[in-house]
Amino acid sequence: AQTVTQSQPEMSVQEAETVTLSCTYDTSESDYYLFWYKQPPSRQMILVIRQEAYKQQNATENRFSVNFQKAAKSFSLKISDSQLGDAAMYFCAYGSNNNDMRFGAGTRLTVKP
Amino acid sequence: EPEVTQTPSHQVTQMGQEVILRCVPISNHLYFYWYRQILGQKVEFLVSFYNNEISEKSEIFDDQFSVERPDGSNFTLKIRSTKLEDSAMYFCASSESRTTDTQYFGPGTRLTVL
Repeated sequence: AQTVTQSQPEMSVQEAETVTLSCTYDTSESDYYLFWYKQPPSRQMILVIRQEAYKQQNATENRFSVNFQKAAKSFSLKISDSQLGDAAMYFCAYGSNNNDMRFGAGTRLTVKP
Repeated sequence: EPEVTQTPSHQVTQMGQEVILRCVPISNHLYFYWYRQILGQKVEFLVSFYNNEISEKSEIFDDQFSVERPDGSNFTLKIRSTKLEDSAMYFCASSESRTTDTQYFGPGTRLTVL
């Protein structure tokens, strides 16, 4: 079964600094997708970034980028120039055509002014 | 930008009562989903729905749960006889196709069972 592990329950970063959130997953599939979702205090789930497993190039969305290591089954999220509005829970998720979406337990990110 | 909407934002009910949570997916999306998040825990998949039938469901989605697309826009989750442990945030999501698998989430409905 596919599992997603986020080993950092909490992280903090100074405003304008860079932080990396870790995620590992377990799968026997070769074709899948990985996602980072942000959940602010409003509890809405907001898509931050997505990576297709067949793509070697790491996805980037403005200040957000990933380090996708397929062999290691690792999918970390880097947030550059952190802003106060980045404070939220961040969930890593795995999806594929054969299975429903699986989420990690989440990492609570605090941004210090 | 199109978005998934959910109503109500907060529902309070007595144990044993039936509740219906409503969602309006993004209009050109074909796949619909319900997730549950118990306070402080991870988001859990409940069910996916395509072509007017359930395509996948989790072990959480037992006989007390049902889903329906009663018209061309709404997608509902019904809990027949609510239990205290059903108290959670319920998220609806939709995706354009199973192949792309990017799911867009609604703002959620907070269900409180007393």
